[in-house]
Amino acid sequence: DTAVSQTPKYLVTQMGNDKSIKCEQNLGHDTMYWYKQDSKKFLKIMFSYNNKELIINETVPNRFSPKSPDKAHLNLHINSLELGDSAVYFCASSQGAAGYNTEAFFGQGTRLTVV
Amino acid sequence: AQSVTQPDIHITVSEGASLELRCNYSYGATPYLFWYVQSPGQGLQLLLKYFSGDTLVQGIKGFEAEFKRSQSSFNLRKPSVHWSDAAEYFCAVGSSGSGYSTLTFGKGTMLLVSP
Repeated sequence: DTAVSQTPKYLVTQMGNDKSIKCEQNLGHDTMYWYKQDSKKFLKIMFSYNNKELIINETVPNRFSPKSPDKAHLNLHINSLELGDSAVYFCASSQGAAGYNTEAFFGQGTRLTVV
Repeated sequence: AQSVTQPDIHITVSEGASLELRCNYSYGATPYLFWYVQSPGQGLQLLLKYFSGDTLVQGIKGFEAEFKRSQSSFNLRKPSVHWSDAAEYFCAVGSSGSGYSTLTFGKGTMLLVSP
């Protein structure tokens, strides 16, 4: 009964391709996130959705498009993949805004490798 | 804007020895503070959090952390390290304002445990 699950766990693809990463949470949380972890392990917020509404959109290329069909799902679609997109992408969820009196729960991560 | 500094990129501790991982934050108001652990190939797991009250907080796996406002620190400690504690440790700070806050992470400290 995984709380936050992401698929796939590994993704290897060629430059220029389009790919998607899916995330689902069964915690009943109202807020979901995408974080990017670079090769130096630095974690940075990309997007945040609250009740399917985009509330945080950090400086991310518009090739990245999140979509939240419902509160329990937040997918990440990436167009025209570039070598620099190689990273580990983490989905997370929280009840309310993480960092404001609540913590975030993280998925296992998706390791994206662009060749 | 809030920020987190983890001064040690990696630390090596002998099994059975005590551990202290340093974390300093920068935030104008009362911070919400977190420690997460990331085992190889895994997602982030919350070890402990500080929101208010007692400045010494207990977490899972025998970890504790102490909030020191005067030093803007939230150091993580464990009295006796086990080999299974080898992992990457992240300190994070959240805002205490209203609206949509996020977690801001430090760059992590890699803990190596020697036999």
